Formats: sequence, structure tokens, C-alpha cells
Amino acid sequence: DTAVSQTPKYLVTQMGNDKSIKCEQNLGHDTMYWYKQDSKKFLKIMFSYNNKELIINETVPNRFSPKSPDKAHLNLHINSLELGDSAVYFCASSWTSGSAQTQYFGPGTRLTVL
Amino acid sequence: DQQVKQNSPSLSVQEGRISILNCDYTNSMFDYFLWYKKYPAEGPTFLISISSIKDKNEDGRFTVFLNKSAKHLSLHIVPSQPGDSAVYFCAASAPDSNYQLIWGAGTKLIIKP
Repeated sequence: DTAVSQTPKYLVTQMGNDKSIKCEQNLGHDTMYWYKQDSKKFLKIMFSYNNKELIINETVPNRFSPKSPDKAHLNLHINSLELGDSAVYFCASSWTSGSAQTQYFGPGTRLTVL
Repeated sequence: DQQVKQNSPSLSVQEGRISILNCDYTNSMFDYFLWYKKYPAEGPTFLISISSIKDKNEDGRFTVFLNKSAKHLSLHIVPSQPGDSAVYFCAASAPDSNYQLIWGAGTKLIIKP
């Protein structure tokens, strides 16, 4: 009964490949997020979706494209992977982001680009 | 430009003693603050939060103190237990930025037996 799940947990791939990371939440939340934890361990927001609509899109290369088929899923597709994309990616969810709300995180996906 | 700063990368505390983790912020618009705990190979887990209308919030062994004039908050854990060994992240949000969470770099807490 995992609240926020991500697959895969580990992803090792070659430069130039295209890959996807899936995220699902069963908390009934209406907002989902993707974060990148960089080498300095900072958590940086990449995208936020509310009711399947994009509401936050930080400065992220357009090789990264989030897809939200429904409120419970927010997948992250990455085209033409680069070495600098290696990081841990976290999915999170919360109730509407129009007020201060607690976010709940998935276990993370460690992406390694060779 | 780090708006949320955790200046201690690590902290070592004896089991049973008090652990105090600190966090400073620069944005006076922040009105909601959260502490998360993170174990290796897991996602951050929500621990405790505080609204700017309060100066203290307590939940069991965990207490968060907010000093708005100093733009400083701290997390107190007492008594510290071995299972508290983890990385602790401070995060803050403001209404003028859609309550997007801004994170500190984390402090690694090590509880010594």
C-alpha cells in the first residue's frame, strides 16, 4: 500500500538514449511533482502538475517532458540523455499547491548516464 | 542564491541527548516551514511543520522553533535515538511563489551509542 511509488528504482543507460520514469500516488492528491537531487544534494523542483495541468515548470531542458495521464500518475520522459542528467529523481504529491501543503515523496530513481 | 540554508553538513550527538538542527532563511515572505527526514535510498519523509503565526510546534520527541525576526528555525529531538540517524532537510514556502517548496541542503545527523 505504498503511497507514492516510482519505477524503476535504478536506471543505468548510455548517453543519447531516451528513458522514462513512472510515478503513481494512491493518496488521492491532486498535485504531483518531479524533483531532481543534484550532486550537492539539493532538492530542486522540476515540474508540478495540478489536476493534470502543468503549473510549475522550472528552468529544465526541453529534453525533459512530464506526462500526466490522470491525477494519480505523473511520468517523466527524458530524451537524448546527457552525462549531467545523472542524479536521483523524486516524485512527490500533495493536495492543491494553492496553499501550504505537505508533500509526500516516492523512494526516488537513481539515474546513471554512462 | 540560497534562500534556505542549513549551514551544518553534519552533526554527531550521543544517544539520549538532545539534537538541535538549525535552518536559516532569507525570504521574509516564507510563511510555512517543514522538516523532512531522509534515510539512504529512500525519499524524504515529512516530520513536522510550523506556520509563521506560531513560534513553536511540538510532536512527541520533535519540536520546531521559529524565530521570525532572526529568520531562523530549529528542530529539537529529545531524547535522540539511533533510528534518528538520517539526513534532515528544512524547507520553506511562500504564497507569492505558489507555495513551491524551497529546500536547504540538509544536515546529516549521526546518533552515537
